[in-house]
Amino acid sequence: SYVLTQPPSVSVAPGKTARITCGGNNIGSKSVHWYQQKPGQAPVLVIYYDSDRPSGIPERFSGSNSGNTATLTISRVEAGDEADYYCQVWDSSSELFGTGTKVTVL
Amino acid sequence: QLQLQESGPGLVKPSETLSLTCTVSGGSISSSSYYWGWIRQPPGKGLEWIGSIYYSGSTYYNPSLKSRVTISVDTSKNQFSLKLSSVTAADTAVYYCARQGLYCSGGSCYLGWFDPWGQGTLVTVSS
Repeated sequence: SYVLTQPPSVSVAPGKTARITCGGNNIGSKSVHWYQQKPGQAPVLVIYYDSDRPSGIPERFSGSNSGNTATLTISRVEAGDEADYYCQVWDSSSELFGTGTKVTVL
Repeated sequence: QLQLQESGPGLVKPSETLSLTCTVSGGSISSSSYYWGWIRQPPGKGLEWIGSIYYSGSTYYNPSLKSRVTISVDTSKNQFSLKLSSVTAADTAVYYCARQGLYCSGGSCYLGWFDPWGQGTLVTVSS
């Protein structure tokens, strides 16, 4: 079965850039979506179709997808970006979520 | 503004059936552009997709849960529902409902992103 692998944690200083990866076999051939989840809250869509941003999501959030890795990039990181992030793909008639990455702002 | 709200018992006994309903407001569940999904999250763990349904009743289920899951839709009430049978403590989780995008390309259609999500409801399985 298809597996999406994310690093458990990423630490970044305020104002710097955070990159969160989502690995999967030939994931570049699939559409990847990304969610931000803060403690006690429902997930929020931050990137869809690899690199599109929903309305209301800051331009600091961007995405890319190629080969075996999709990446969510958060530029000029702020304290409010501290959260768990999940990737998601559709494969073989099933939805799959990544293992999740906790982003800590130092 | 589209909103989704989960409702149902917060406590279910082992071996019984978990039943939840998601009420959609601010938009029609009968839109041809969307599916409607259920996702759960055990305490302290990641997200797990349970299944999704189209307004016509067409469904997709997580293979690992398929034998115990039934998702149905009631367009007259703008609601869709989840039933999970033979529950155990491992089914304790926050259960979310969400709208799911549908996109078609090259003659095939695929389910996509979830947005928006309901606030979630904690269901505990315990005697």
